[in-house]
Amino acid sequence: SQKIEQNSEALNIQEGKTATLTCNYTNYSPAYLQWYRQDPGRGPVFLLLIRENEKEKRKERLKVTFDTTLKQSLFHITASQPADSATYLCALVYNTDKLIFGTGTRLQVFP
Amino acid sequence: NAGVTQTPKFQVLKTGQSMTLQCAQDMNHEYMSWYRQDPGMGLRLIHYSVGAGITDQGEVPNGYNVSRSTTEDFPLRLLSAAPSQTSVYFCASSYGGSNNQPQHFGDGTRLSIL
Repeated sequence: SQKIEQNSEALNIQEGKTATLTCNYTNYSPAYLQWYRQDPGRGPVFLLLIRENEKEKRKERLKVTFDTTLKQSLFHITASQPADSATYLCALVYNTDKLIFGTGTRLQVFP
Repeated sequence: NAGVTQTPKFQVLKTGQSMTLQCAQDMNHEYMSWYRQDPGMGLRLIHYSVGAGITDQGEVPNGYNVSRSTTEDFPLRLLSAAPSQTSVYFCASSYGGSNNQPQHFGDGTRLSIL
């Protein structure tokens, strides 16, 4: 079955540094991969989508890479701020129309 | 902009009771889905629908029923609640299929089964 792995341990970084979160997957070759942000008590919010042929995508301070050989996506937040503290989820599609999620990585940015 | 609205926000049930979690979206999205979120398990897909009158099972469908009589509404029914169904339930919608479209989530229903 499809499996998505995200680092379950929280990532703690200092304000201004670059945060890098990892998403690894097995047993499938998705055409798309999505990243979401989730704050406590709220539903996930869509951030970025990357296609398998895009390799890298940027949106303001966010950057996502997609390495289909390594079966890995990296999510970067540059110049991180305390307001970036949240849980970040990656998700991919399998069986055409089922979107499955990783367990998420909690990011804590300290002033 | 209401987006995806879930009701109720909180609910406590006794084992064996039934209830319906409501989900409504006002974006005319074709695709709707239900997830449950448990600590350490992430979001798991329960049921989904690609349009009115069409539903299908996700990863963890047992104990849940859905129907899609309109584009706007996608209720989730618990037939006979069990403690294992204690969880946070999220409804999501998207334009077209899920494989290349952002999902819009509601803020969840927190359900406790005693």
